[in-house]
Amino acid sequence: AQSVSQHNHHVILSEAASLELGCNYSYGGTVNLFWYVQYPGQHLQLLLKYFSGDPLVKGIKGFEAEFIKSKFSFNLRKPSVQWSDTAEYFCAVIDTGGFKTIFGAGTRLFVKA
Amino acid sequence: DSGVTQTPKHLITATGQRVTLRCSPRSGDLSVYWYQQSLDQGLQFLIQYYNGEERAKGNILERFSAQQFPDLHSELNLSSLELGDSALYFCASTTGQSSYNEQFFGPGTRLTVL
Repeated sequence: AQSVSQHNHHVILSEAASLELGCNYSYGGTVNLFWYVQYPGQHLQLLLKYFSGDPLVKGIKGFEAEFIKSKFSFNLRKPSVQWSDTAEYFCAVIDTGGFKTIFGAGTRLFVKA
Repeated sequence: DSGVTQTPKHLITATGQRVTLRCSPRSGDLSVYWYQQSLDQGLQFLIQYYNGEERAKGNILERFSAQQFPDLHSELNLSSLELGDSALYFCASTTGQSSYNEQFFGPGTRLTVL
């Protein structure tokens, strides 16, 4: 079965700093990857997804992620964070078979104003 | 607002008790997924239903069960509750039966077992 690792559990940044959150998955075959975000007091929502094609994926709110197959990674990036980006970020992968989504443990980002 | 509703928002109960959590998917969505989010285990997939039938099972305990009704709402039943069952329980819905579609999450039910 697939697994997902998010190495940073807590990240604190100042506004305008650049962000990179790490995500590694275990499976070497065809992968389908997601980043979800959970703002304080809100439901999880999709930031971006990768199924195939251009490995650099652009999402909402200025976020992007790069799929690097050789490194089994799908890191999330944003060039300049804002206070409103304070949230918990989850990397996820669809398990082989296509029915289960496996989530990473999440990374809590706090952006200081 | 994702269009997915969950009731109740909060639930406080005692060990050994049984509770039922309810989820209504977005209009038109046929799949419902249940997840458990706890501090030590993160977001864990429990079970998926598609159009009334169980489609996939994750790390769901035998004390837990779920069903999806003809009107497509779903209920997650948790019995013989233990302290460790305290968590946020989310449901999500999608149009199709696979996970390739974006999942729309509800606001969650926070269960506290005392």
